[in-house]
Amino acid sequence: TQLLEQSPQFLSIQEGENLTVYCNSSSVFSSLQWYRQEPGEGPVLLVTVVTGGEVKKLKRLTFQFGDARKDSSLHITAAQPGDTGLYLCAGAITTDSWGKLQFGAGTQVVVTP
Amino acid sequence: DTGVSQDPRHKITKRGQNVTFRCDPISEHNRLYWYRQTLGQGPEFLTYFQNEAQLEKSRLLSDRFSAERPKGSFSTLEIQRTEQGDSAMYLCASSFFSRGPRMDYEQYFGPGTRLTVT
Repeated sequence: TQLLEQSPQFLSIQEGENLTVYCNSSSVFSSLQWYRQEPGEGPVLLVTVVTGGEVKKLKRLTFQFGDARKDSSLHITAAQPGDTGLYLCAGAITTDSWGKLQFGAGTQVVVTP
Repeated sequence: DTGVSQDPRHKITKRGQNVTFRCDPISEHNRLYWYRQTLGQGPEFLTYFQNEAQLEKSRLLSDRFSAERPKGSFSTLEIQRTEQGDSAMYLCASSFFSRGPRMDYEQYFGPGTRLTVT
């Protein structure tokens, strides 16, 4: 059972459309990261959020950390085929050791031209 | 900075054989982590080191698994008497951790080692 629940599990959209991926938990996280993973490769870090209510933008990607630090969202504006990939959220639980990350199962995003 | 590297990238082995994977972290990073990822799932934590000390091991890490980081630089993960259920992607990550002002939460992953046990 994943501590972090991601939704949807799969998302297929046309180029130019917008999409939002959600990451939810009943636990409080001291920090939360979003990664993108290509088939056969390791996850690549996109962003880290640490403050409740924090919003970070990375070009067409907008990341938000919930006020209670239990949830996060990733919004992509005007998606492009290069945005295709598995999007993973991961967090460090406040009551846990500072080391390990808990991952969601991921959202597979497919953007078709 | 060459990033985290892992070797080999792919390993096919027969059930019952032993395998060893290597991870070279980012040079200035003092923490090194091992995760395992199966198809359709996110990575699951196995163990981590701070310098040469192994600070935590998951219950997922059975007695057949052992990890070392002898000089606080590269790390090895060995699986003895492999089973088909060990087939997975083994991921290594590293980070710089300090309880001072520069507390770093960010872990950077290598490309992974894909293990197939036949």
